[in-house]
Amino acid sequence: NAGVMQNPRHLVRRRGQEARLRCSPMKGHSHVYWYRQLPEEGLKFMVYLQKENIIDESGMPKERFSAEFPKEGPSILRIQQVVRGDSAAYFCASSPSPSGPSYNEQFFGPGTRLTVL
Amino acid sequence: GQSLEQPSEVTAVEGAIVQINCTYQTSGFYGLSWYQQHDGGAPTFLSYNALDGLEETGRFSSFLSRSDSYGYLLLQELQMKDSASYFCAVSSNDYKLSFGAGTTVTVRA
Repeated sequence: NAGVMQNPRHLVRRRGQEARLRCSPMKGHSHVYWYRQLPEEGLKFMVYLQKENIIDESGMPKERFSAEFPKEGPSILRIQQVVRGDSAAYFCASSPSPSGPSYNEQFFGPGTRLTVL
Repeated sequence: GQSLEQPSEVTAVEGAIVQINCTYQTSGFYGLSWYQQHDGGAPTFLSYNALDGLEETGRFSSFLSRSDSYGYLLLQELQMKDSASYFCAVSSNDYKLSFGAGTTVTVRA
């Protein structure tokens, strides 16, 4: 059973370009989460999606950032008109369901390292 | 919002025991998780405490005191491969994880 897959692993963009990050959850998982990690910091929640629905995007900047999880295909995190401050590692995680208070494990992908020149 | 505090670095020798403390402030609390991350790679789940007490999984144990908003991860019989960053994370509902800044554990021979 393949784990969470993310591509590309490394992405270099110039200021003003668009970045598209892809995440394929584990088989059987219909819940996807995106996190951003800056060097020497913890992961910051960005958005939580189920198939075709954004459930919580409270951690995502309102401008330039968008996310989707279509019925078919991977989840996409899209950053338009990138700026140097967007340089970070972006991790995707998945779970079979929101687990509730008794158990909560999210399975993480290897991340996409975005560098904005 | 949520805030979590954990030490930034810990160094110990092989075979030793290390305890990583985590204190948190949160609005809404479901449980406390611990994740391990090697060299910026995929964080991997170690443990989850929803109730007070100690959970033991092999060489690693995790403790929670809800009344004190405090938990810790205990690493026993340290091995070189345990050198990594360890993050505590609070679940404020059934899906959102809020992570601490991480503790870098360095194991020396």
